[in-house]
Amino acid sequence: DAKTTQPNSMESNEEEPVHLPCNHSTISGTDYIHWYRQLPSQGPEYVIHGLTSNVNNRMASLAIAEDRKSSTLILHRATLRDAAVYYCILRDVYNNNDMRFGAGTRLTVKP
Amino acid sequence: DTAVSQTPKYLVTQMGNDKSIKCEQNLGHDTMYWYKQDSKKFLKIMFSYNNKELIINETVPNRFSPKSPDKAHLNLHINSLELGDSAVYFCASSPGSIVGNTIYFGEGSWLTVV
Repeated sequence: DAKTTQPNSMESNEEEPVHLPCNHSTISGTDYIHWYRQLPSQGPEYVIHGLTSNVNNRMASLAIAEDRKSSTLILHRATLRDAAVYYCILRDVYNNNDMRFGAGTRLTVKP
Repeated sequence: DTAVSQTPKYLVTQMGNDKSIKCEQNLGHDTMYWYKQDSKKFLKIMFSYNNKELIINETVPNRFSPKSPDKAHLNLHINSLELGDSAVYFCASSPGSIVGNTIYFGEGSWLTVV
């Protein structure tokens, strides 16, 4: 399985942007980059995904390096509710019934 | 309406018992999953079903048996419960399309074996 590497933890101040990095140097051409997050005592929830181009949605932006070996999840204005574990996951487009989580990045947001 | 619902939310039981966790999704999805999150917070996939057919079966003890009576349900039966089975179990579902396949998770079932 292709793997991702993320920092164990990050801190941010409320209402400031947050950049969560992810390295995936062994990514294959058919891997999509997905981000999920898990709020305390809840199930994981989808944040964003992309293949090659940068992506924006109402929750976040995803910036993908040109060589696709790394990506960054951007929260434009962190709120206390964004405190969660963020997971960067590679999903093969031809094996879409499989999604495996790494350790993720625990984001703490300070008021 | 809860998209993926699991019951019970909390379950405390003794070693050696047999228990079930039920899962239902009302999203019309083709694929359903069970994940286990242990005390170290690692989320591991256990099973994946597509249209009631087993697709993924990780190295899970055969005391764990998923059962999918129809596309909207995937129940998890656990026989002869052990202390190490204590964890949070998450059910999830996703549509069968290939691209942009978002997985929706339930709120989890907290299992404690004493």
